[in-house]
Amino acid sequence: AQSVTQPDIHITVSEGASLELRCNYSYGATPYLFWYVQSPGQGLQLLLKYFSGDTLVQGIKGFEAEFKRSQSSFNLRKPSVHWSDAAEYFCAVGSRGGKLQFGAGTQVVVTP
Amino acid sequence: DAGVIQSPRHEVTEMGQEVTLRCKPISGHDYLFWYRQTMMRGLELLIYFNNNVPIDDSGMPEDRFSAKMPNASFSTLKIQPSEPRDSAVYFCASRVSTGINTIYFGEGSWLTVV
Repeated sequence: AQSVTQPDIHITVSEGASLELRCNYSYGATPYLFWYVQSPGQGLQLLLKYFSGDTLVQGIKGFEAEFKRSQSSFNLRKPSVHWSDAAEYFCAVGSRGGKLQFGAGTQVVVTP
Repeated sequence: DAGVIQSPRHEVTEMGQEVTLRCKPISGHDYLFWYRQTMMRGLELLIYFNNNVPIDDSGMPEDRFSAKMPNASFSTLKIQPSEPRDSAVYFCASRVSTGINTIYFGEGSWLTVV
């Protein structure tokens, strides 16, 4: 069965500092991996996705993620956070043509 | 382009009442998903359709919940009778089966049952 673990429920980061959100997955085949962001009162917006090829993927809003098969991880990073990056971030895993399994989410707070 | 459209955005209802949530997927998308989000359980997939046919409804909590997709541009999620524990945000999402299968979410229906 597929599963996704986001070890950090809550992260506080200073504006301008770097951010890394962890995601570990369990999946029997080649996974399709996604990061979504949810701002308060909004739906989920896709940040980036990985299916194959280059293991470092670039997304919107300056985010990137790196797929590491040996570690079953797909961590999200941003070199310098902005106050507008305060939101909840979800990692998800799925298969082609199948449904997505979401992690529990990581709440990011940005301080001045 | 219009995204996934959900209505109502907010609803407050009394316990025992029927609740109907509506969704219009993105035109051309042949998969439609209903998710529920709560603090305790996070994002849960309730049911999904392919070409208007329910494929997997194993996430539907109980018989009080039902979902239909009468055509490619409309789906409903109905709760009858509603209970306070049904209070949650209900998201509809859609995707196309060909190519990269990114799921696009609506803005959600915020349901409060008092």
